[in-house]
Amino acid sequence: DIQMTQSPSSLSASVGDRVTITCRASQSISSYLNWYQQKPGKAPKLLIYAASSLQSGVPSRFSGSGSGTDFTLTISSLQPEDFATYYCQQKDTFGQGTKLEIK
Amino acid sequence: EVQLVESGGVVVQPGGSLRLSCAASGFTFDDYAMHWVRQAPGKGLEWVSLISWDGGSTYYADSVKGRFTISRDNSKNSLYLQMNSLRAEDTALYYCAKDIRPDGGYYMDVWGKGTTVTVSS
Repeated sequence: DIQMTQSPSSLSASVGDRVTITCRASQSISSYLNWYQQKPGKAPKLLIYAASSLQSGVPSRFSGSGSGTDFTLTISSLQPEDFATYYCQQKDTFGQGTKLEIK
Repeated sequence: EVQLVESGGVVVQPGGSLRLSCAASGFTFDDYAMHWVRQAPGKGLEWVSLISWDGGSTYYADSVKGRFTISRDNSKNSLYLQMNSLRAEDTALYYCAKDIRPDGGYYMDVWGKGTTVTVSS
């Protein structure tokens, strides 16, 4: 089974900061990697699919990159509404999540 | 408006059974594969099951294989999860989610709000 490892597990940042979250697969997964955002008490929301494609309606400050085993989600300028937990996903496996908190 | 509404979550005893439902609206239901994903209290997301657009292909997480059965009724725009031999570790918020592909690309672009299953004596 492919394991997905996110880092860091938690992150403190300020509004306006550039933030990067990393997801590593235990073996090559090509570009089959998605990113989701989940706010407390809410369902997950698809942000990025196929490693770098921005889901419709998602602000352009979100971007994804990577292929093979190493992937990143970048938020170019944090907004107050971006503080949430982020998950990477490869097919039937989710990463453990990265909680993004306000510094 | 594209919408998924789950129902059927209750408190059930270990070893018991339960059927979850998910009502879809606002899109052509039988054009897409559908998933169940769960989240235990305070924990991360766990994929549970996938069914293709026509119900012809189904897939399960190892943790539920042989105990859970996913199905769909395209005439009713509904998705189901039959859960048998329930265990305490099945306690979670269960989400249904729409795939962007008919055969299941594991890209979930629409999610319901979830229904809570608690397995406890």
